[in-house]
Amino acid sequence: DGGITQSPKYLFRKEGQNVTLSCEQNLNHDAMYWYRQDPGQGLRLIYYSQIVNDFQKGDIAEGYSVSREKKESFPLTVTSAQKNPTAFYLCASSTQGRRISYNEQFFGPGTRLTVL
Amino acid sequence: AQSVTQLDSHVSVSEGTPVLLRCNYSSSYSPSLFWYVQHPNKGLQLLLKYTSAATLVKGINGFEAEFKKSETSFHLTKPSAHMSDAAEYFCVVSDRGSGGYNKLIFGAGTRLAVHP
Repeated sequence: DGGITQSPKYLFRKEGQNVTLSCEQNLNHDAMYWYRQDPGQGLRLIYYSQIVNDFQKGDIAEGYSVSREKKESFPLTVTSAQKNPTAFYLCASSTQGRRISYNEQFFGPGTRLTVL
Repeated sequence: AQSVTQLDSHVSVSEGTPVLLRCNYSSSYSPSLFWYVQHPNKGLQLLLKYTSAATLVKGINGFEAEFKKSETSFHLTKPSAHMSDAAEYFCVVSDRGSGGYNKLIFGAGTRLAVHP
C-alpha cells in the first residue's frame, strides 16, 4: 500500500528546543517537499528536494533545516531560531516527469506542532 | 508570476443542492491547475487536475471543473452536495520553479459547509 507517512501526528515543543518531524514515502518519488499551513492560509513551501543528497530552500526556510540521505526519507527539523513554529506541517512527494508542471504532489497526513 | 485567487473564503450549502467553488488564476501562459481537498487535521487529497487536454475535467467524488481561458477561471462544481463534502478546498496552479522543481502556488482555500 503506497503512500506517505508522517510522524508524530501531534508534537509539543518547549521554547528553545529543536524538534524533528519525520516523513517517509514508498512511492519511489524523486522529489519531496515540506509545507507549513497556518489557519486561513494556503500552504507555504519550506524546503524541497529533487534528488537524494540535494535540497533547496523554499519561501520560508528560516529557522528550519532538512536532510535527504535516502530517497524514501526527508526529515524536517524545527530549530529554536524559528520564532513562531506553531503550525500544521505537511510533507509531499512527486515524480520528476519531463513536463514538470503536470505532476501532482501527494501529501502525507500532517504533523501538528504546538509550542508550549 | 503565476497566482491564484479563491473568491470565497466560506461557502455554505444544503445537502442535495449544487456546489460552486470559484477560482481565478493569473498566468502568462497555459497553466496546469489542480483542486485539492483537505478534511480537518488531514493531508491534502487531489480531486482533479487540468493539464491542457479537455477543458472540462472530471474528478473523484462527483466533482468537476471547467478551464475557461477567456475568463482565467477554474471553478469547481458538484451537482449535489453530500455531508461528507464538508472540508477545505484549495485551488492550485503549478509551475516550473527557478530551480527546475515542481512549484505549487496555493489559493487561500474555501471552507465548504454542508447543512442537512
